[in-house]
Amino acid sequence: KNQVEQSPQSLIILEGKNCTLQCNYTVSPFSNLRWYKQDTGRGPVSLTIMTFSENTKSNGRYTATLDADTKQSSLHITASQLSDSASYICVVPIGNEKLTFGTGTRLTIIP
Amino acid sequence: EAGVVQSPRYKIIEKKQPVAFWCNPISGHNTLYWYRQNLGQGPELLIRYENEEAVDDSQLPKDRFSAERLKGVDSTLKIQPAELGDSAVYLCASSHLAGRSYNEQFFGPGTRLTVL
Repeated sequence: KNQVEQSPQSLIILEGKNCTLQCNYTVSPFSNLRWYKQDTGRGPVSLTIMTFSENTKSNGRYTATLDADTKQSSLHITASQLSDSASYICVVPIGNEKLTFGTGTRLTIIP
Repeated sequence: EAGVVQSPRYKIIEKKQPVAFWCNPISGHNTLYWYRQNLGQGPELLIRYENEEAVDDSQLPKDRFSAERLKGVDSTLKIQPAELGDSAVYLCASSHLAGRSYNEQFFGPGTRLTVL
């Protein structure tokens, strides 16, 4: 069964600290993995898209890693800011169209 | 460039009433998606359009849900009659392959539906 699982379900950290979110997937065949950020009351916004051959990809303070052998990905946030408070969703397409969404990690940054 | 536009942003109705949501995709995007997102869950695809053709509506509850995309641009998603369990955020997304190996989807802000 094609699934995307994320951990932790929720996370609270102090402003300025780093954190790492995890994603495990069983989607096959695999073509790419995406991390989205979803602010409360908004639609998801793409942070990174990683293809099979990419191990790491950065977007500002966000760094995603991908291990296609173990089918794991992580999203590392450096020097967190209050605006990072959001849900972070790991998404793996089935083929090139149908997206399989994880349930997300709810991140809260406190001052 | 304007993003995906959805309206209304919020809708509160009583059960058994009809409701409609509207989506205007990013200009030039030929693929349009409607998703439903329950609280604390990831979005679930309801229907996907390629231009004006619905190419994947396998998850659309066809007894009460309908959608259309006339002229292959704007789209409307309708629920009639609404049930309590339909309370959710309805997201619209659009994409354009444009020669890439992956199909990045851009999401609108969603319509939050509350059925009382």
